[in-house]
Amino acid sequence: TQLLEQSPQFLSIQEGENLTVYCNSSSVFSSLQWYRQEPGEGPVLLVTVVTGGEVKKLKRLTFQFGDARKDSSLHITAAQPGDTGLYLCAGFYNAGGTSYGKLTFGQGTILTVHP
Amino acid sequence: DTEVTQTPKHLVMGMTNKKSLKCEQHMGHRAMYWYKQKAKKPPELMFVYSYEKLSINESVPSRFSPECPNSSLLNLHLHALQPEDSALYLCASSLRVNQPQHFGDGTRLSIL
Repeated sequence: TQLLEQSPQFLSIQEGENLTVYCNSSSVFSSLQWYRQEPGEGPVLLVTVVTGGEVKKLKRLTFQFGDARKDSSLHITAAQPGDTGLYLCAGFYNAGGTSYGKLTFGQGTILTVHP
Repeated sequence: DTEVTQTPKHLVMGMTNKKSLKCEQHMGHRAMYWYKQKAKKPPELMFVYSYEKLSINESVPSRFSPECPNSSLLNLHLHALQPEDSALYLCASSLRVNQPQHFGDGTRLSIL
């Protein structure tokens, strides 16, 4: 069973602070997605990373994919209360074939940004 | 706004009832998924459909029965559920399997 270790599990910060969430594995991903989920809603896809070393920016959010495609990070600059939610990383393992659509999720990071 | 539409948003049912959850997408996606999610936890995969055929069943109890009538619709038929089945049930779709998945807002299911 492949594992995707996501940390930290909980993050409580003040508005304006920066933060980073990490996802790590001993296995190689063919691609990795980051989602944000707010209460009462489904996960919303933020980004997909595919290439080792790739960096993508979405306003104040910066996503990085490790060179070996085994890890990824999400960095938020100047966090705002609207960033509050459950952040999930999820990847397709590159098992020499296809994962047949089975996404492996990290445990999630519950972020709370206080005004 | 999500492009994957799930109905109903909320459902309360007794353990002897039969009900169905519905999911619809019109993005031309040929892979569709059912997930179960408990509070503050990641979604757990239940079923994967690819080109309207069931390709993955994650050892889900038979009281959950999926159906994919066409490329835009996905149903989950429920019968004789247990209290521990209370959860948020999410539908997702992707262009093909192993492509990024887009989720609906889910059905909040409560079993009395």
